[in-house]
Amino acid sequence: DQQVKQNSPSLSVQEGRISILNCDYTNSMFDYFLWYKKYPAEGPTFLISISSIKDKNEDGRFTVFLNKSAKHLSLHIVPSQPGDSAVYFCAASGYGNAGKSTFGDGTTLTVKP
Amino acid sequence: EPEVTQTPSHQVTQMGQEVILRCVPISNHLYFYWYRQILGQKVEFLVSFYNNEISEKSEIFDDQFSVERPDGSNFTLKIRSTKLEDSAMYFCASSVSGIAKNIQYFGAGTRLSVL
Repeated sequence: DQQVKQNSPSLSVQEGRISILNCDYTNSMFDYFLWYKKYPAEGPTFLISISSIKDKNEDGRFTVFLNKSAKHLSLHIVPSQPGDSAVYFCAASGYGNAGKSTFGDGTTLTVKP
Repeated sequence: EPEVTQTPSHQVTQMGQEVILRCVPISNHLYFYWYRQILGQKVEFLVSFYNNEISEKSEIFDDQFSVERPDGSNFTLKIRSTKLEDSAMYFCASSVSGIAKNIQYFGAGTRLSVL
């Protein structure tokens, strides 16, 4: 039962353009969503998050959008930079589950100079 | 900047042997977690730990696994009798609290290779 899905295993964009990474979830009990970035040989690093009571959260070049009715969230990176090339994981957590995060499979973003 | 540290970075062991993976969480954090990532697959939750006891564990975390906080700084994951399928990256994480919105900080991981 894959509760968090990232259907695109990879994405390639040109430097300066927008990167859009998508994530779908099935569990209605999730009420907090996070994006993590992971470089090779490192652990996941928190990037940005959104609560289920919001539909948008912005932090610099990164914006996360949440569509609760569609159980869908997306991460927008504008403008994309070569240093953004990494694996991006969507994760979800819910009230009362001791902070456990359920991760998607990840999307490998490549930003070409 | 405070960080979660994990040792060793790479552990090679023979099938059936016991291994202990070590983690030093961020000092003021109270919740601790272990995750694993089999090569090419997703990051999977194993266990969460608070106040010296397990808060939640996944189906993966069977009787072969145990966690311990032996002193004020270390948090360990023990695999009693390793199997080939235990080969994976094991990530330790910690957070200030256990509420959903709390950010988890991850270590760089220990690559476990079971031969």
